[in-house]
Amino acid sequence: GIQVEQSPPDLILQEGANSTLRCNFSDSVNNLQWFHQNPWGQLINLFYIPSGTKQNGRLSATTVATERYSLLYISSSQTTDSGVYFCAVMNTGFQKLVFGTGTRLLVSP
Amino acid sequence: DGGITQSPKYLFRKEGQNVTLSCEQNLNHDAMYWYRQDPGQGLRLIYYSQIVNDFQKGDIAEGYSVSREKKESFPLTVTSAQKNPTAFYLCASSPLEGPDTQYFGPGTRLTVL
Repeated sequence: GIQVEQSPPDLILQEGANSTLRCNFSDSVNNLQWFHQNPWGQLINLFYIPSGTKQNGRLSATTVATERYSLLYISSSQTTDSGVYFCAVMNTGFQKLVFGTGTRLLVSP
Repeated sequence: DGGITQSPKYLFRKEGQNVTLSCEQNLNHDAMYWYRQDPGQGLRLIYYSQIVNDFQKGDIAEGYSVSREKKESFPLTVTSAQKNPTAFYLCASSPLEGPDTQYFGPGTRLTVL
């Protein structure tokens, strides 16, 4: 099946810093989503982005489907950004999201 | 408010007992999903359903069962056949039309004593 790798696995930032999270996938996809899991376990959908670039406030994401990667940018990080960021993809022709193992982000004041 | 609810938030069970986790959504979504998350890991798909009275196994269905008698509800039963059931269980739903974006409930943390 399709493989999803996220990097870095862990990231520690000072409040106000910028960061880039990466998601590599091993096959063509028709669905790619970025999620944030807060410390209480709730997953929030950040972006649906199978290709192209989107922005939402301090967050933006870019997917280059032909090169099989996606990037999530966090600017001016805040302590509330802490948690785990997951990338999930769906193969063309399949109906299941496959999750990466996540990037654990800690933003300190 | 539209959303997905899961109950209970925490659940303890003794070995050998079956237990059912509830998932309800009022988003009018056709598709619903159950995932399992172990500490430090990503999510793995247990079962999913795209229409009422129909569901498919995911990657780790052994020891679990589901039903989909109503569009709004997709309960998961963890049976005694599941060898290592202690985990965080997440339910999600998505529309079948438009962007296939999944929305998650708050999760149920199951501990087997």
